[in-house]
Amino acid sequence: KQEVTQIPAALSVPEGENLVLNCSFTDSAIYNLQWFRQDPGKGLTSLLLIQSSQREQTSGRLNASLDKSSGRSTLYIAASQPGDSATYLCAVAETSGSRLTFGEGTQLTVNP
Amino acid sequence: GAVVSQHPSRVICKSGTSVKIECRSLDFQATTMFWYRQFPKQSLMLMATSNEGSKATYEQGVEKDKFLINHASLTLSTLTVTSAHPEDSSFYICSARDPGTGNIQYFGAGTRLSVL
Repeated sequence: KQEVTQIPAALSVPEGENLVLNCSFTDSAIYNLQWFRQDPGKGLTSLLLIQSSQREQTSGRLNASLDKSSGRSTLYIAASQPGDSATYLCAVAETSGSRLTFGEGTQLTVNP
Repeated sequence: GAVVSQHPSRVICKSGTSVKIECRSLDFQATTMFWYRQFPKQSLMLMATSNEGSKATYEQGVEKDKFLINHASLTLSTLTVTSAHPEDSSFYICSARDPGTGNIQYFGAGTRLSVL
């Protein structure tokens, strides 16, 4: 059974700092991995999706990497802003279009 | 990206009543939709997979008679919480799989259910 773990559970940083969120998964036979953002009481916003054949994806200040063999992914946020404050979730799909298994998230607070 | 609409966004009901939540794919056809549940400060847990034209597949521990799922068309799946009780209070989120974009799942905005 696939298990996804995210570390740290919570993170508080001053504005402008670069930061890294970590995600690990127990079964390396994944199809893709996705990072989401969730604001309090809201749904999910997809940030980046990495296919199993890819090593990284970038969007603006966000960069996600994937090391499938070791079962790890990182989300790098450059020059953090207060508007980045949210919970960040990673999720893996084991086949195309299959259910997603989510981690428990990292709650990020960026202080002005 | 594709849009998934979930309605209502919030519902408050008395214990014992039934509540229906709708999940619609607005600009694509979804043969498969997923229903997740999220407790406060916890992650999303899959409740069931909704398949158009056939019965839903429920995860272990999820009561199919309590959480009725109907996927009657390629753009609509509904989740009905029957005889709701306070312990059913939670955040319910649906997603729809878009075959046109490599089966990427697009998520609704969620429904906050509070049972008094």
